[in-house]
Amino acid sequence: DARVTQTPRHKVTEMGQEVTMRCQPILGHNTVFWYRQTMMQGLELLAYFRNRAPLDDSGMPKDRFSAEMPDATLATLKIQPSEPRDSAVYFCASGLTSGRYEQYFGPGTRLTVT
Amino acid sequence: GQNIDQPTEMTATEGAIVQINCTYQTSGFNGLFWYQQHAGEAPTFLSYNVLDGLEEKGRFSSFLSRSKGYSYLLLKELQMKDSASYLCAVRDRGGAGSYQLTFGKGTKLSVIP
Repeated sequence: DARVTQTPRHKVTEMGQEVTMRCQPILGHNTVFWYRQTMMQGLELLAYFRNRAPLDDSGMPKDRFSAEMPDATLATLKIQPSEPRDSAVYFCASGLTSGRYEQYFGPGTRLTVT
Repeated sequence: GQNIDQPTEMTATEGAIVQINCTYQTSGFNGLFWYQQHAGEAPTFLSYNVLDGLEEKGRFSSFLSRSKGYSYLLLKELQMKDSASYLCAVRDRGGAGSYQLTFGKGTKLSVIP
């Protein structure tokens, strides 16, 4: 049963600390997406990749956030320095550039910045 | 850009039928998705419409009218486990945006006995 995996599932950190979230997309998928979900804003797209190349990161605060895909099995999202307003659930999703283009979501990382 | 509207909350009775509406405005339409998200869990794919009409899948159906920028998700024979948020998402046409989805804020459905 192929799934997107994310680590850690929960993270509590203090303001100013670096946070790294990791995602393993479904094997064979060639698009990877990072989303942030809050009660107020809903699900917001931060960045996404096709064939490991970044296509759009306009949803991301560039001064503190960075997203990379060092290889086809790993995507990372880093926040440095973290701030309390970054507290949210961060989802990774993967998909294919064919068919319905549906996205499969990982379980998310619940981040709390104090 | 895109604008997607759906009701914030709905309540329905077990065994009944409920319709969740979604309206959208987009510069280029290339498909509409419905996702289900239980509290504390990830969104999961429910349905996809790219042409006008009704797509049926078991107790769930989804309808699309591209000319009206309108879709609905119909849930029949409601069960308690259908209590969840339902997210409407639209895909753009062409360019780098052709792979990304823009999500509505979701409709929280509560099914009561």
